[in-house]
Amino acid sequence: EAGVTQFPSHSVIEKGQTVTLRCDPISGHDNLYWYRRVMGKEIKFLLHFVKESKQDESGMPNNRFLAERTGGTYSTLKVQPAELEDSGVYFCASSPHGWGTDTQYFGPGTRLTVL
Amino acid sequence: AQRVTQPEKLLSVFKGAPVELKCNYSYSGSPELFWYVQYSRQRLQLLLRHISRESIKGFTADLNKGETSFHLKKPFAQEEDSAMYYCALKPITSGSRLTFGEGTQLTVNP
Repeated sequence: EAGVTQFPSHSVIEKGQTVTLRCDPISGHDNLYWYRRVMGKEIKFLLHFVKESKQDESGMPNNRFLAERTGGTYSTLKVQPAELEDSGVYFCASSPHGWGTDTQYFGPGTRLTVL
Repeated sequence: AQRVTQPEKLLSVFKGAPVELKCNYSYSGSPELFWYVQYSRQRLQLLLRHISRESIKGFTADLNKGETSFHLKKPFAQEEDSAMYYCALKPITSGSRLTFGEGTQLTVNP
C-alpha cells in the first residue's frame, strides 16, 4: 500500500512569490491534515479535512494560506504571497474513517525555503 | 489549550545504556498521548500510543496523570534507535489535531 505522498519534496522561492504544495493521502482515507515545522520550533497543526470539507482550520496562520481538497482526494496548500517566516517543512498526514480515532500517517514533507 | 514539553533537545547515550526521553503535557481534559519517531531520511511514524499499552522496539511509555507526564523508556539502547522523537497529544473527546513537543534528538553511540 502506498503511503502519503507529497510534492514537491523541496521548493525554493523568493519572497512575494506563490507556491502550491500537494498532498496525496493514502487511498480511502477520509481525514487529511496539514502540519508545519518552522526552524527550531515544534510541529504545528494547520488544518484538518474530512473528505472535501474543512473540519478545523484554526491553525492556519493567516489568509495568505489557502488549502483545498476538491473531490475529497488529494489536497493542495497554496501560500500567496510567500513571506520569509513561511520557510519550514510542511507535513501532510491522513487517517481512515471516524472522528480522529485512528493513527495519522505522515508524508515525507515538503521543505519550503523563502528567500 | 494544550501544550507538550520535551525538555531535552539533544540526548546522547551509549549502546546498551538505559534511555529515557521526557515528555510533560498540560491539558485540562482527557488526553491521548503518542510518541512519534523520525529516523534519518525517513518520514515521521507512530512509535506507540498510551491507549495501546504495548511495547514497540523495546520502548515503553506510561501515562502518569498525576505528574502529567508520558516519558519514553528503553532499558538497553541500540544504535538504530538514533532518531528524532516527538511526543504528541490529542484530546480524546474533541477534535483530532495533534499537538507536538519540540522533539528530542537521540544519539546512541557505539
